[in-house]
This record gives sequence, C-alpha cells and structure tokens, in this order.
Amino acid sequence: KQEVTQIPAALSVPEGENLVLNCSFTDSAIYNLQWFRQDPGKGLTSLLLIQSSQREQTSGRLNASLDKSSGRSTLYIAASQPGDSATYLCAVLGGGADGLTFGKGTHLIIQP
Amino acid sequence: NAGVMQNPRHLVRRRGQEARLRCSPVKGHSHVYWYRQLPEEGLKFMVYLQKENIIDESGMPKERFSAEFPKEGPSILRIQQVVRGDSAAYFCASSPSDTRAQHFGDGTRLSIL
Repeated sequence: KQEVTQIPAALSVPEGENLVLNCSFTDSAIYNLQWFRQDPGKGLTSLLLIQSSQREQTSGRLNASLDKSSGRSTLYIAASQPGDSATYLCAVLGGGADGLTFGKGTHLIIQP
Repeated sequence: NAGVMQNPRHLVRRRGQEARLRCSPVKGHSHVYWYRQLPEEGLKFMVYLQKENIIDESGMPKERFSAEFPKEGPSILRIQQVVRGDSAAYFCASSPSDTRAQHFGDGTRLSIL
C-alpha cells in the first residue's frame, strides 16, 4: 500500500527566503507525482506535475524534483512571498491505487 | 474553459437523510475521481469512474455510499442515511486520461446535524 509522507508538517519563514518542502513515498512504481496548493476552506490548485520519466519541472518561482528510485520529491520555492502562505500537498499516482495518494501536507506561513 | 464544477458548495443534512453531491468534470475529461478530506486528516481516494463505469471503488465505504458517472450529466456521489462521521469536505477531480494531471473542484463541505 502506497504511503506518502511530507516533512515538515509546518514551516514559518520570513518573506524573501528560499525554502524546500520534502515528500517521500514508499512504492516507487508511480506514474506521476503532483504538487498542489490548498488555501483554507478552498479546493486544490495544481502547481506542478512530474511524470515518472522526468526528473524535474519548473513553473515561475517553483521547482519540483523527482527521484523515483529513492522515493523522494522536493518542492523548491524561491524568493517566498506572503501570498505563498498555504498548505502544500504532495500526491502520487500509482503504487497500487487508481487514485492519488496524498501526504498530509506542509502548512507554510510566510511572514511579511 | 470551465474547470471542475462541484455543487452544492455547502450541504447540511440531519442524521438519517440522504446527501447527493454533484461534479461536472472539465469539458473533454472522461475520468472522474472522488476524494474525502476528514477534519484534521489528509485527502483520501474514494472512487474512480469513467463514463458509465466504476473502475475502482476500493476507497469507498462498503455501505451507504455509491457513485455514478452517467453517459449524460454530472457524476454523483450519494450518501444514504448520513451519520455525523460523514461530515467532511468531498472533492471531485477529473483528468483526460488515467495518468495525466488531475484537476480538482472547490469541493462540497458536508455537515451533519
């Protein structure tokens, strides 16, 4: 059974800092990995999708990497802004399930 | 293009009533997924459907819960005889294929009195 773990569970940093969010998964037989953002009381916004054959994806100030063999992904946020404050979720497709398996998220606060 | 549309956004039911949650996928997407987010817990997969077929319902409780995705119209998640423990946010996602990115709706927040 696929399990996804996100570290840290919560993070608070001053505005302008670069930061890294970590995600690990137990079964490396995945099709893809997605990073999402969830604001309080809202739905999920897809940030980046990495296919199993890819090593990284970039969108603006966001960069996500994937090391499938070791079961790890990182989300790098450059020059953080208060508007980046949200819960960031990592999810994998594959490893025995037809739906996404989610981690519990990293609750990020960027201090102005 | 409209994204995934879920309605209602909020639904209040009394114990024992039925709840019907609707999801219209992104136009052209034929794969629909339902997830549940319980308070203080992560999102959990419930069911995966294609038009007129349930592909995987391994995450759905065996009793009281059912889902459909008819040839015409939205996907429906139906919860019969609701109990307090059914209170949660229910999210629908759609995808053009089973390995492409999933796009999520804003969810339906179900409260049971």
